[in-house]
Amino acid sequence: DQQVKQNSPSLSVQEGRISILNCDYTNSMFDYFLWYKKYPAEGPTFLISISSIKDKNEDGRFTVFLNKSAKHLSLHIVPSQPGDSAVYFCAASGSSNTGKLIFGQGTTLQVKP
Amino acid sequence: ETGVTQTPRHLVMGMTNKKSLKCEQHLGHNAMYWYKQSAKKPLELMFVYNFKEQTENNSVPSRFSPECPNSSHLFLHLHTLQPEDSALYLCASSQEGTRAYEQYFGPGTRLTVT
Repeated sequence: DQQVKQNSPSLSVQEGRISILNCDYTNSMFDYFLWYKKYPAEGPTFLISISSIKDKNEDGRFTVFLNKSAKHLSLHIVPSQPGDSAVYFCAASGSSNTGKLIFGQGTTLQVKP
Repeated sequence: ETGVTQTPRHLVMGMTNKKSLKCEQHLGHNAMYWYKQSAKKPLELMFVYNFKEQTENNSVPSRFSPECPNSSHLFLHLHTLQPEDSALYLCASSQEGTRAYEQYFGPGTRLTVT
């Protein structure tokens, strides 16, 4: 049974608009949530994280929102740029000092010029 | 070399072959990981090594045998694989401690078992 789910396999947005990527989880014991980005022929790269004690974390154009009651998190990219086109993975961890991550299936984002 | 490197990048092997995947990290990290990514599936954690000691084996079949001789190198020895083992194998490293979730990945080895 998948503990972390990304139900949208793909998303297409226009350059300059907002991209919203969603992720749902089932395990209420998860303590940290992450987003990773992956370009073709490269490994995933860490993008942004959020602790379960927060509901928002912002880093430049990227903001992650956490709704613990709904067991849902989302990644907002504003404004979207063509270079943001990649696969985005949501992941969850039981604590900050363990590297045991549970990943979602990924969402392919295409930002059109 | 910087970051996390993996060799080979592509590997085709028969079911009776024995091969090894190599991973090297140049980041001074003390934790290393093997992940498997099959088509249309999430990344699956296979093994975790902290300070050269295996701390996680995620019910991986014994035909996959990891080895971590030091904190910078990680191997995955493969023998008598099955076609369903064809996948992208990713290595990652991180610093054990307060940001162990921030993992640095290599480019992966694309494995095809014929």
